[in-house]
Amino acid sequence: QQQVKQSPQSLIVQKGGISIINCAYENTAFDYFPWYQQFPGKGPALLIAIRPDVSEKKEGRFTISFNKSAKQFSLHIMDSQPGDSATYFCAARVSGNTGKLIFGQGTTLQVKP
Amino acid sequence: NAGVTQTPKFQVLKTGQSMTLQCAQDMNHEYMSWYRQDPGMGLRLIHYSVGAGITDQGEVPNGYNVSRSTTEDFPLRLLSAAPSQTSVYFCASSARPGTVSNQPQHFGDGTRLSIL
Repeated sequence: QQQVKQSPQSLIVQKGGISIINCAYENTAFDYFPWYQQFPGKGPALLIAIRPDVSEKKEGRFTISFNKSAKQFSLHIMDSQPGDSATYFCAARVSGNTGKLIFGQGTTLQVKP
Repeated sequence: NAGVTQTPKFQVLKTGQSMTLQCAQDMNHEYMSWYRQDPGMGLRLIHYSVGAGITDQGEVPNGYNVSRSTTEDFPLRLLSAAPSQTSVYFCASSARPGTVSNQPQHFGDGTRLSIL
């Protein structure tokens, strides 16, 4: 059963635009919400992450917004660039000491020049 | 410092064959895990280990076996390959979970496995 649902499946944005990817999680105790970026032929790499006691985190052009009551979080990419074209995964880490990550289905982003 | 190294990068197997996917990390991470990535499914956890000698099942463990005899290595064994196991397999490692610093998982570049 998929406990983290991600949308949209694919996204096309013009250069300079804002890319928004959404995730929602179900009733499970999660303590950490990372976003991973994956380029073709490579493994996922951590992009940005947030803890559930924080509502927003910004790193450069990337921002996570977190709504604990709605069990939703989203990634905003400001001033999107062609180099941002990649697949993005949201994830949620199960609370405790197992380190288990539950991933969303992924979003393929294409930024057109 | 190579990070997480996976071998082989590509493999084609016939149904019923067995093989071992290798994973090694040089960051002295206690936590290691295996995921499979399929289109539209994201990454799904197969097995994980919180330290040498300790392994546990993830979401999709059937048909796979793991062991963790050293901190550095975490091989994944396919016991009798089936076409449904055609996928891209990723190994990841991180510092001990539950630490305050929220250490991220570091991924290898994957093994692309096709089973005919």
